[in-house]
Amino acid sequence: QVQLQESGPGLVKPSETLSLTCTVSGDSISSYYWSWIRQSPGRGLEWIGYVYYSGTTNYNPSLKSRVTMSVDTSKNQFSLILTSVTAVDTAVYYCAAGAPGGSCSVCDNWFDPWGQGTLVTVSS
Amino acid sequence: DIQMTQSPSTLSASVGDRVTITCRASQSIASWLAWYQQKPGKAPRLLIYKASSLQSGVPLRFSGSGSGTEFTLTISSLQPDDFATYYCQQYTGYSTFGQGTKVEIK
Repeated sequence: QVQLQESGPGLVKPSETLSLTCTVSGDSISSYYWSWIRQSPGRGLEWIGYVYYSGTTNYNPSLKSRVTMSVDTSKNQFSLILTSVTAVDTAVYYCAAGAPGGSCSVCDNWFDPWGQGTLVTVSS
Repeated sequence: DIQMTQSPSTLSASVGDRVTITCRASQSIASWLAWYQQKPGKAPRLLIYKASSLQSGVPLRFSGSGSGTEFTLTISSLQPDDFATYYCQQYTGYSTFGQGTKVEIK
């Protein structure tokens, strides 16, 4: 069964770049569209975007200008980069499996499973 | 974007109670709705997808219904393990979540 594990710095300075990686085990990176979701007390659960191993991406319009997602097939990992962070970006960041791999007209989906989450704090 | 509104925000109930949580979408989402359970310090756990399909391994006391703009999650007989926060999610293009309903002990 698929298992996901987030990794990356827990503290990022304002105006700098947040970078997280999710390692997939138990299945191929080509099996799903992979999403990043974050959760904070002020904004609740917020979908950030998804990436497919082919390079296809779809981002939340509210974050699109600051987000880049990519896949490293050799490591069975996918990554999130969020630039120009502020305190509002402080949250628990989750990676999750979404739509099954393959062609889809609308690749949005329920999420299962999720990683355990990693807290990222934006502070100087 | 599609707004999801859950009610109530907090629900006090006892073991054995029948519990119903409502989720309303700001526009029709057909049956593209999922429900999750989250406990403190843990990731959300998928319970229901496509509005009424029970995820494998989820107890039969959980059920979902609705279509269009109004949906419900029902727990037929609340168990001690069910005290948690529940979220709905629509997935019609890009996902949005409800604000959550906390089920607490009465």
